[in-house]
Amino acid sequence: AQKITQTQPGMFVQEKEAVTLDCTYDTSDQSYGLFWYKQPSSGEMIFLIYQGSYDEQNATEGRYSLNFQKARKSANLVISASQLGDSAMYFCAMREVGNQFYFGTGTSLTVIP
Amino acid sequence: DTGVSQDPRHKITKRGQNVTFRCDPISEHNRLYWYRQTLGQGPEFLTYFQNEAQLEKSRLLSDRFSAERPKGSFSTLEIQRTEQGDSAMYLCASSLGFRGTNEKLFFGSGTQLSVL
Repeated sequence: AQKITQTQPGMFVQEKEAVTLDCTYDTSDQSYGLFWYKQPSSGEMIFLIYQGSYDEQNATEGRYSLNFQKARKSANLVISASQLGDSAMYFCAMREVGNQFYFGTGTSLTVIP
Repeated sequence: DTGVSQDPRHKITKRGQNVTFRCDPISEHNRLYWYRQTLGQGPEFLTYFQNEAQLEKSRLLSDRFSAERPKGSFSTLEIQRTEQGDSAMYLCASSLGFRGTNEKLFFGSGTQLSVL
């Protein structure tokens, strides 16, 4: 079974609009961490946001927020007020107890002017 | 803070040759990870180190792959007898290793391997 599932291979959003990128995860651990990374065409992986499994509030970092629904095992990324520079691949990742990080297959986001 | 650096950026080799990649993590980071990424896929875990100890290795990793991290500083990833299926971007990442946001991975720019 896949540890991280991202079901949206590609997404389009109008500039200045909000967009939600979906992520579901599979783990039997009680303690885990969830991450989102951005990978522009230049190839570097850029950390965006972190959510701990015990965190009761949804994480926010500037225009990024993580919609954490523990019972549904989902960790969706919300980008508000999209900008042209947000066009990139976005990866959801999970760290389990054993410290291994698992990544999803990614979602390609295109921001339309 | 110079970030995670990887060398070389690109490597072209012939099938059957051995290749070695180097990764220099952020100096205070005790955890170092190697990932492989092919086009259109997410990073695939290969192995990770806590200081100089290699704590986990992917079951997908054949015995042609070996990694070291002497003295808990830089790391090398060697691929012996390369095959065309080894062509990929090899990413190195490091982290402080503490739980919470400080455990986030910092990635290098990667080494793009092409096996002809």
